[in-house]
Amino acid sequence: EAQVTQNPRYLITVTGKKLTVTCSQNMNHEYMSWYRQDPGLGLRQIYYSMNVEVTDKGDVPEGYKVSRKEKRNFPLILESPSPNQTSLYFCASSYGTGATEAFFGQGTRLTVV
Amino acid sequence: KQEVTQIPAALSVPEGENLVLNCSFTDSAIYNLQWFRQDPGKGLTSLLLIQSSQREQTSGRLNASLDKSSGRSTLYIAASQPGDSATYLCAAPFLNTGFQKLVFGTGTRLLVSP
Repeated sequence: EAQVTQNPRYLITVTGKKLTVTCSQNMNHEYMSWYRQDPGLGLRQIYYSMNVEVTDKGDVPEGYKVSRKEKRNFPLILESPSPNQTSLYFCASSYGTGATEAFFGQGTRLTVV
Repeated sequence: KQEVTQIPAALSVPEGENLVLNCSFTDSAIYNLQWFRQDPGKGLTSLLLIQSSQREQTSGRLNASLDKSSGRSTLYIAASQPGDSATYLCAAPFLNTGFQKLVFGTGTRLLVSP
């Protein structure tokens, strides 16, 4: 089954404790991206990657890092999480570019206390 | 800056009604427009994608139309069912971001009552 898998689904952590949210897709897509969803603000792009070792900032990259060492994986790293990073995070992938049909993961609900 | 607006923000209908969800965008230079469904605690499910050269797409009871010149898309749901209750989002990649991100509307929350 074609899918985008995120882990963990839920996470509560403390301020400053580094964490990684993993994202993996099995569709051999070149393009992957991360979004966060907040009430009243909708979904906003954090980072995207057009292929292995090619990443770029989205609209709200501050406080986040990403890496793309393998085509299927695109982890999101919060090196020093803060309460304003409490949000619902989504990973997405698509074939070729960001302009083709996007497939989203199930989401990761992160709470930073 | 591109904006995507969805009206209404919430909609409540009895089962069996046909309904229309609206999506408008401020910049006509889009590559395509995609409609998603979001259920509580779950991810976004892609419903329909309309290429910029197309006027409409259909999937089962769903029909999406696109009018680039007026900056509008509509999602028509026929014979609504309680299982259609969810939040519906539209999104588009825009030319002036190199089509590298989806700009989302804030969604329409639909409740279909039995």
